[in-house]
Amino acid sequence: SQQGEEDPQALSIQEGENATMNCSYKTSINNLQWYRQNSGRGLVHLILIRSNEREKHSGRLRVTLDTSKKSSSLLITASRAADTASYFCATDSGTYKYIFGTGTRLKVLA
Amino acid sequence: SQTIHQWPATLVQPVGSPLSLECTVEGTSNPNLYWYRQAAGRGLQLLFYSVGIGQISSEVPQNLSASRPQDRQFILSSKKLLLSDSGFYLCAWSVSTGSFSPLHFGNGTRLTVT
Repeated sequence: SQQGEEDPQALSIQEGENATMNCSYKTSINNLQWYRQNSGRGLVHLILIRSNEREKHSGRLRVTLDTSKKSSSLLITASRAADTASYFCATDSGTYKYIFGTGTRLKVLA
Repeated sequence: SQTIHQWPATLVQPVGSPLSLECTVEGTSNPNLYWYRQAAGRGLQLLFYSVGIGQISSEVPQNLSASRPQDRQFILSSKKLLLSDSGFYLCAWSVSTGSFSPLHFGNGTRLTVT
């Protein structure tokens, strides 16, 4: 069963704007990760946030985690056309079983 | 550095035919290994994962099976393919120690069952 659900399912923005996508999950987690998938390719790991962390930054990426609401958000600042991809959250409950959400398709218009 | 190889990249098979997809990892020992399937425009469904040779956990009851004949080799098989087996199959690995290791994916196999 799917653990995570991303919102929105699709997002279209202009280059230079910020993109925010959200992930909700159902059970307790050990960590939450965000991945990017370019069309027809494998997923690439972007950032990992542990369950005892609330916010994490990596370059133009900012991830927040609210374990009380079982939700996370990924913010991409100053988006570029090259950021066009699908973005997925994945949760791990400490059992090495990574469960992915349904994904957000981001389109950045030049 | 670690690399993951997955082949073939594309495959067209008739209904009822067998399937064998192979994945190998280089540059690491005793990795956790995973098979995911992605339907068109959808999320990833965990099919199998393995934390060691001979240890395979199945997440979805279906006509697929997985084997791990060697430490860094993971094989996805079927004796008779169904139309519903079409999809994008992704192999991935992670470090086996600790629980804060990201997944590293192969480039996937696009399977079309006709």
